[in-house]
Amino acid sequence: DAMVIQNPRYQVTQFGKPVTLSCSQTLNHNVMYWYQQKSSQAPKLLFHYYDKDFNNEADTPDNFQSRRPNTSFCFLDIRSPGLGDAAMYLCATSSLGRSTSTDTQYFGPGTRLTVL
Amino acid sequence: GQNIDQPTEMTATEGAIVQINCTYQTSGFNGLFWYQQHAGEAPTFLSYNVLDGLEEKGRFSSFLSRSKGYSYLLLKELQMKDSASYLCAVRDWDDYKLSFGAGTTVTVRA
Repeated sequence: DAMVIQNPRYQVTQFGKPVTLSCSQTLNHNVMYWYQQKSSQAPKLLFHYYDKDFNNEADTPDNFQSRRPNTSFCFLDIRSPGLGDAAMYLCATSSLGRSTSTDTQYFGPGTRLTVL
Repeated sequence: GQNIDQPTEMTATEGAIVQINCTYQTSGFNGLFWYQQHAGEAPTFLSYNVLDGLEEKGRFSSFLSRSKGYSYLLLKELQMKDSASYLCAVRDWDDYKLSFGAGTTVTVRA
C-alpha cells in the first residue's frame, strides 16, 4: 500500500563519485518535489516538477540535477558529492499544484546519504 | 519567502498537554500545515488551516490567526509515541511550494 517509494533507504558514496537517488509514486500526482534535510533543520526544497516542467530553486547548486521520465518516477542526481551533501533526501508529491484545497504533500521515507 | 519560527525543543509528561507555537511572515498566505516527523523518517501530514480558528482531529488540534501570523498545534493526552519533531509549514499564495520551519522536538517522558 506504499504511496511514495524511495530507493535506496540508505546510500553510501565516495567523495566526488556520482550518485542517483530514485523516487516513485502510485498516487498519480502531477507534482513531485525533492528536499534536502540535514539534522535538526527544516527540509530545504531543491527543485520540483509540475508535470514535465522542471522548476529549480535559485540556491540549489548545479551539482544537483533531476530527471522525471514519466509521471511515476523522479530521480535526483548528485554529480560530484561533497561531504556537505550528506543528508536525508526526501521526495514528496502533491496533486494539481495550484489549489485552494488541502493539497497536502505526501512524503516518501527518505534516502539517507553518507559521503565518505 | 517566509520566515517561520517555532521553538526548538519541548518536554512533557505522558498524559499531559503540549502546545507548539509557530509564527510566520509571508507576503501572500495560502495555508498552514503541521507535519509530524519521527527520527529518521519522513514527515507525515497532521493538519491544515487556511481560515482562522481551531481544527480538531482526535488528540491533535491546530489553531490559526492570520492577522497575527500565528498558529499552534495542541497535543492532548500525550503518549510516548508522540515523541517526534513537529514541523510547521506555510504555503504562499503565489505558488504551491511549502516553506518549513526547523521543527520542534517534543520529548514525552513517563
